Amino acid sequence: EAGVTQFPSHSVIEKGQTVTLRCDPISGHDNLYWYRRVMGKEIKFLLHFVKESKQDESGMPNNRFLAERTGGTYSTLKVQPAELEDSGVYFCASSSSPQGDIQYFGAGTRLSVL
Amino acid sequence: AQSVTQPDIHITVSEGASLELRCNYSYGATPYLFWYVQSPGQGLQLLLKYFSGDTLVQGIKGFEAEFKRSQSSFNLRKPSVHWSDAAEYFCAVGGGLTGGGNKLTFGTGTQLKVEL
Repeated sequence: EAGVTQFPSHSVIEKGQTVTLRCDPISGHDNLYWYRRVMGKEIKFLLHFVKESKQDESGMPNNRFLAERTGGTYSTLKVQPAELEDSGVYFCASSSSPQGDIQYFGAGTRLSVL
Repeated sequence: AQSVTQPDIHITVSEGASLELRCNYSYGATPYLFWYVQSPGQGLQLLLKYFSGDTLVQGIKGFEAEFKRSQSSFNLRKPSVHWSDAAEYFCAVGGGLTGGGNKLTFGTGTQLKVEL
């Protein structure tokens, strides 16, 4: 069974550009989460999808970040325009049920904004 | 608000020595507790979890952790460390039995170095 897959593994862009990160969850997992780790800090929650609906987006830093999950399968996280402080590692995780279930993580996308 | 503290940023141990990584949490009820490990170039892998019941939980790769409610701690232990255990370890807390969603709150991580 394939795990959580994230593309790309590394992205280097200039300030002001747009970047789109993609996450493919484990097949059949309705719950999908995005997290971010800024250099030297803790991994922080961004948002949670249940199928195609946003269940909790309390961790999204500002309106430059847009997450979608069309059809309830893969998800994208777009940053537009990117700022220097957006640099970090973006993790995606999925689980089969929302409460008390194990979240399986992808390898992350390392975003470098220059 | 829930929070997790991992007081040790870096730890170095000799191969074969015992290991204990500390984790303290703050949560209003009985939480779900997790330890994840991240090896270079890899994603976060679950080592073990505590939901309820026996406070000593066994995980993969010979790791165990003990939930101590009175100390709000969930320390990770391994009796004999192998060189392949060198990685970064994260403690996390999630919404417990009283709900609160399932987003995880992580500590800042402990980087483990193993000396041969």
